[in-house]
Amino acid sequence: GQNIDQPTEMTATEGAIVQINCTYQTSGFNGLFWYQQHAGEAPTFLSYNVLDGLEEKGRFSSFLSRSKGYSYLLLKELQMKDSASYLCAVRDLDNAGNMLTFGGGTRLMVKP
Amino acid sequence: EAGVAQSPRYKIIEKRQSVAFWCNPISGHATLYWYQQILGQGPKLLIQFQNNGVVDDSQLPKDRFSAERLKGVDSTLKIQPAKLEDSAVYLCASSLDPTTNEKLFFGSGTQLSVL
Repeated sequence: GQNIDQPTEMTATEGAIVQINCTYQTSGFNGLFWYQQHAGEAPTFLSYNVLDGLEEKGRFSSFLSRSKGYSYLLLKELQMKDSASYLCAVRDLDNAGNMLTFGGGTRLMVKP
Repeated sequence: EAGVAQSPRYKIIEKRQSVAFWCNPISGHATLYWYQQILGQGPKLLIQFQNNGVVDDSQLPKDRFSAERLKGVDSTLKIQPAKLEDSAVYLCASSLDPTTNEKLFFGSGTQLSVL
């Protein structure tokens, strides 16, 4: 099975930087995804990490340490529109179909 | 490129009634997923299809939930009879091939309220 943990809520100020952490336990790790979900909308893909290190994509970066079972999503130059839930999801080869399991999500509130 | 289509967008039923949701994945996507997302939680996988075969349905409450993807394209998810705790958003997603770690594309979901 899998255990994926991330903080429930975070608050940050417009223009600032915020880091959302995700820890996981899995027997057959095969990649970690971050999704953004605005209230009432579908999740949309943000980033994917399968090797250790940092992946940068504009204002968003994602980091992975497989030995520590740890990832974070870094959001720079926060904008009000970044207020959303951020979902960490892990693929596990030991689950049939290379199943993707989601954490509970972190609700980020960006304040002026 | 058209996205994942789902209908209806909203559904309100009384407990013990039946309900069905429909999903049309992105053209060419072999893998189709149904997730249940209860308010304030992350999506929970109910069932995963590869073409028209079931890959994983270990978390599907089979006494009341059923799903099919007869021709390997569209899929339907049914609940019969519904319980209060089934109130959630039902998300359909598709991907090209999970073995290559393709990302999932989600539909807008069906918000179900069971009264």
